[in-house]
Amino acid sequence: ETGVTQSPTHLIKTRGQQVTLRCSSQSGHNTVSWYQQALGQGPQFIFQYYREEENGRGNFPPRFSGLQFPNYSSELNVNALELDDSALYLCASSFGDRGQTQYFGPGTRLLVL
Amino acid sequence: QKEVEQNSGPLSVPEGAIASLNCTYSDRGSQSFFWYRQYSGKSPELIMFIYSNGDKEDGRFTAQLNKASQYVSLLIRDSQPSDSATYLCASAGGTSYGKLTFGQGTILTVHP
Repeated sequence: ETGVTQSPTHLIKTRGQQVTLRCSSQSGHNTVSWYQQALGQGPQFIFQYYREEENGRGNFPPRFSGLQFPNYSSELNVNALELDDSALYLCASSFGDRGQTQYFGPGTRLLVL
Repeated sequence: QKEVEQNSGPLSVPEGAIASLNCTYSDRGSQSFFWYRQYSGKSPELIMFIYSNGDKEDGRFTAQLNKASQYVSLLIRDSQPSDSATYLCASAGGTSYGKLTFGQGTILTVHP
């Protein structure tokens, strides 16, 4: 157990809808990173938040957005869902703006129909 | 060229054998390297990280890093059926800054 929690565990949405995924970081960690993992692939970096500011972004469109709160928990929002957004969404917790040793939560499995 | 590439699997080894997992990376500025284990339907679990050239041992696991060759490996000694999982190699630092760049993973099966 890493102490990183995510909710919900599973979610089914239809194309065009919007979704919000949540993550609570491990105690003592102030950095949260989000990844998307398609079936059979390695996780792909979406973005990272450090002290409530975006601290790097991967190659994802603007309809993927996020927030980090003062308690370092975080949200990932995806607008205008597409079928290809179906994946496992992983939140990782670490310390510092170059927090590279990252610990993953259990993930949220999103299915877009 | 993919930024992080892992040897194509799946890899099958008998119980008690040494499993060798390999990874190459393209960003010479990468500073840190991580091995994660992912069981089917679960999230990645950190098992080893290495920053310096050479070997790093932790129990049955040994990570090896050769920055000149841009090569990282993970050896699992005395492999057990419970080691059967997908192993993900990741790099960080350099142009990647704080993000982890993952390979596609190698599926390892340890058969009794």
